[in-house]
Amino acid sequence: QQPVQSPQAVILREGEDAVINCSSSKALYSVHWYRQKHGEAPVFLMILLKGGEQKGHEKISASFNEKKQQSSLYLTASQLSYSGTYFCGTEGGTSYGKLTFGQGTILTVHP
Amino acid sequence: GAVVSQHPSRVICKSGTSVKIECRSLDFQATTMFWYRQFPKQSLMLMATSNEGSKATYEQGVEKDKFLINHASLTLSTLTVTSAHPEDSSFYICSASPRVMSNQPQHFGDGTRLSIL
Repeated sequence: QQPVQSPQAVILREGEDAVINCSSSKALYSVHWYRQKHGEAPVFLMILLKGGEQKGHEKISASFNEKKQQSSLYLTASQLSYSGTYFCGTEGGTSYGKLTFGQGTILTVHP
Repeated sequence: GAVVSQHPSRVICKSGTSVKIECRSLDFQATTMFWYRQFPKQSLMLMATSNEGSKATYEQGVEKDKFLINHASLTLSTLTVTSAHPEDSSFYICSASPRVMSNQPQHFGDGTRLSIL
């Protein structure tokens, strides 16, 4: 079952912050976050494992609430290069090792 | 490390043609590779899991006779779209990981844009 991402789209000015949410209806082993630029393959950002951890990658961090089966991606002080479509990929249920991707969140950062 | 190469990057061909797409792990061995399809402005949809030395596992609704997968070695998986039609036009992407574990990211190839005329 496909995880649900919100919002569907975000428009920011450089330096502003954004939060992208990913919610699943099934118990999860892990949540993976990727960013995809138009016409390119997805690029790995980070993985969160069950246990409620939080991770950071430069000005991009994420959290995973295992009880709620939700993950959030935090982008702070956004840069133009952050523009793209963000996908969460969830691993859980009977699909060990396989990822089911959300519908994506389009992030546009303007100067 | 963990580089995945995919070829060709772009294919334009006539309806009825069969098209082969290669996915290679360049600096690691991959017993498992994944094939995705992505239509414009949509998510990545898993088509099948490619297993070295055994048959691929297809997702529900994916025709295994239409999309032939061969994982002949630990570094190469191929996807053949047989007798392709315009509705098969899409962006096909493969991914692989040195180990299929929850804490391991999937590394994606650059994708193949298939256009069937």
